[in-house]
Amino acid sequence: KAGVTQTPRYLIKTRGQQVTLSCSPISGHRSVSWYQQTPGQGLQFLFEYFSETQRNKGNFPGRFSGRQFSNSRSEMNVSTLELGDSALYLCASSYSGTSGVTDTQYFGPGTRLTVL
Amino acid sequence: AQSVTQLDSHVSVSEGTPVLLRCNYSSSYSPSLFWYVQHPNKGLQLLLKYTSAATLVKGINGFEAEFKKSETSFHLTKPSAHMSDAAEYFCVVITSSNTGKLIFGQGTTLQVKP
Repeated sequence: KAGVTQTPRYLIKTRGQQVTLSCSPISGHRSVSWYQQTPGQGLQFLFEYFSETQRNKGNFPGRFSGRQFSNSRSEMNVSTLELGDSALYLCASSYSGTSGVTDTQYFGPGTRLTVL
Repeated sequence: AQSVTQLDSHVSVSEGTPVLLRCNYSSSYSPSLFWYVQHPNKGLQLLLKYTSAATLVKGINGFEAEFKKSETSFHLTKPSAHMSDAAEYFCVVITSSNTGKLIFGQGTTLQVKP
């Protein structure tokens, strides 16, 4: 099976712009989670989607949003970019079964976002 | 609230010597615990996971971890370090009350000297 894929791998934006990142989960996985990784804050949970519904959200401002499509692919969007949004954004997928309980999460390679 | 504490931010070993990366957790529920590894400029790779089936968990690349409830610990070990083990390691907890949300430790950088 192909692993989790994320596009693009690298992005450079300027303050005030918006950005959309994409994540394709492992085939058959219905849960997708997003994380932000920075040197100062480490790995922090952004949100999680299951069956096109956001089930869980971390402590991030409303500028960070996401969605999941019927094929389980997910996108996250960051509006009005700030310098502090520069980070590695990681997506993870999980099988979850029919009960929706998240099992092991498998990570993609990440999108490196640089805000100038 | 659930939390994970990795007791060492940096560990340095010589090639061929044992590795010990320490992790303590705090959880109100029976936790599922994981160790992930991240090589430079890469995503996270699952090393092993504990989900209450057995307290000693074997993972990939010769790593194993022991769950000790009385000590609330989940330390990662390997008998003999290899140069390719140099990376950052994360201890992670997920509980039944927070599906889909992983809580990460601060990470331990493992340096392997020749």
